[in-house]
Amino acid sequence: GQQVMQIPQYQHVQEGEDFTTYCNSSTTLSNIQWYKQRPGGHPVFLIQLVKSGEVKKQKRLTFQFGEAKKNSSLHITATQTTDVGTYFCAGRGNTPLVFGKGTRLSVIA
Amino acid sequence: EAGVAQSPRYKIIEKRQSVAFWCNPISGHATLYWYQQILGQGPKLLIQFQNNGVVDDSQLPKDRFSAERLKGVDSTLKIQPAKLEDSAVYLCASSLDRGQGELFFGSGTQLSVL
Repeated sequence: GQQVMQIPQYQHVQEGEDFTTYCNSSTTLSNIQWYKQRPGGHPVFLIQLVKSGEVKKQKRLTFQFGEAKKNSSLHITATQTTDVGTYFCAGRGNTPLVFGKGTRLSVIA
Repeated sequence: EAGVAQSPRYKIIEKRQSVAFWCNPISGHATLYWYQQILGQGPKLLIQFQNNGVVDDSQLPKDRFSAERLKGVDSTLKIQPAKLEDSAVYLCASSLDRGQGELFFGSGTQLSVL
């Protein structure tokens, strides 16, 4: 079945440094979503990418969808302590949404 | 707009006991999902409803798990009998359109099976 892999599993950064997490699917996706889960919280939707090569920005966050629609990335510029949490990608192909294992971001002030 | 409501927030049971979780989705959301999230992992879909019909339950352990969504609104997820490996957070989510848009998650039920 469809698998969604995310790397790295953990990332520790100093406040102000940049952060990137990568997502790869075993199959071509129709769309990909990104969610953020704060410690002790539930996943909260960030964005959905649909088109091949699509790039979307939300303030310090930049999301990309690969040309082949099998990979995606989330880049955070100049991290802040409020960015702490686990970032999940979730891909939709011929199956319902499949979540990756997430990247846990720690920000050291 | 009220969010997805779930109860209980926490539940502790012994193995082989039964447990039930309740979910009330956002008003007007036709699609409802139950996810299982084991510590340190991403949410895993157990079952997806479109109104009161099942769209996907391929990963639901049907020998012990059951779910229903009567009248296409509220839903319950039941585990009978529970095993130690069922310890996880059970998340309910809903979406407005036919499973294509963003998911709105509830706060989840944290289940501990002893």
